[in-house]
Amino acid sequence: KAGVTQTPRYLIKTRGQQVTLSCSPISGHRSVSWYQQTPGQGLQFLFEYFSETQRNKGNFPGRFSGRQFSNSRSEMNVSTLELGDSALYLCASSVTGERYNEQFFGPGTRLTVL
Amino acid sequence: AQSVTQLDSHVSVSEGTPVLLRCNYSSSYSPSLFWYVQHPNKGLQLLLKYTSAATLVKGINGFEAEFKKSETSFHLTKPSAHMSDAAEYFCVVSDGSSNTGKLIFGQGTTLQVKP
Repeated sequence: KAGVTQTPRYLIKTRGQQVTLSCSPISGHRSVSWYQQTPGQGLQFLFEYFSETQRNKGNFPGRFSGRQFSNSRSEMNVSTLELGDSALYLCASSVTGERYNEQFFGPGTRLTVL
Repeated sequence: AQSVTQLDSHVSVSEGTPVLLRCNYSSSYSPSLFWYVQHPNKGLQLLLKYTSAATLVKGINGFEAEFKKSETSFHLTKPSAHMSDAAEYFCVVSDGSSNTGKLIFGQGTTLQVKP
């Protein structure tokens, strides 16, 4: 079974631009969560999608948004990029997203904002 | 609110000696607890999970953890460290305020294994 895939793996943008990251979950998984990893703040929860609906949201500004498609693939978008948005963005999938379920992580997208 | 505290930001051991990575948690609910490992430039891999079954949980690569409710701890151990164990380790609690899979991560412990 293929694992969680994320594209692109690396991205360089400039301040003010916007970016879209993509995540393909493991086949059969309906929940997709997104996390931001930075050296200063560690790993922080962005949002979770289940059956095309945002079910939970972390404490991030509205510039961070996401969506999920009917095939469970998910995208996250960051508008008006700031230097502080430079981070590793990780996507995780699980069967139902319930708190007992194991979440499988992708390799991440490394975003650099110049 | 749920939270986890990893008591050591950096642990250094010699190859072949025991590993102990310490984690305390805070949760208003019966917690689901996990340990994940992250090797450089790699994603996170689940080592083990506790979900209210046996308090001693065995994971992959010889790791295990014991859930101690009275001490609110979930320490990760391994009897004998291997060079390949060098990585970042995260203690994680699942947010119990909803039934969704929001994970709350500790700050991580870097494990260094010396030859």
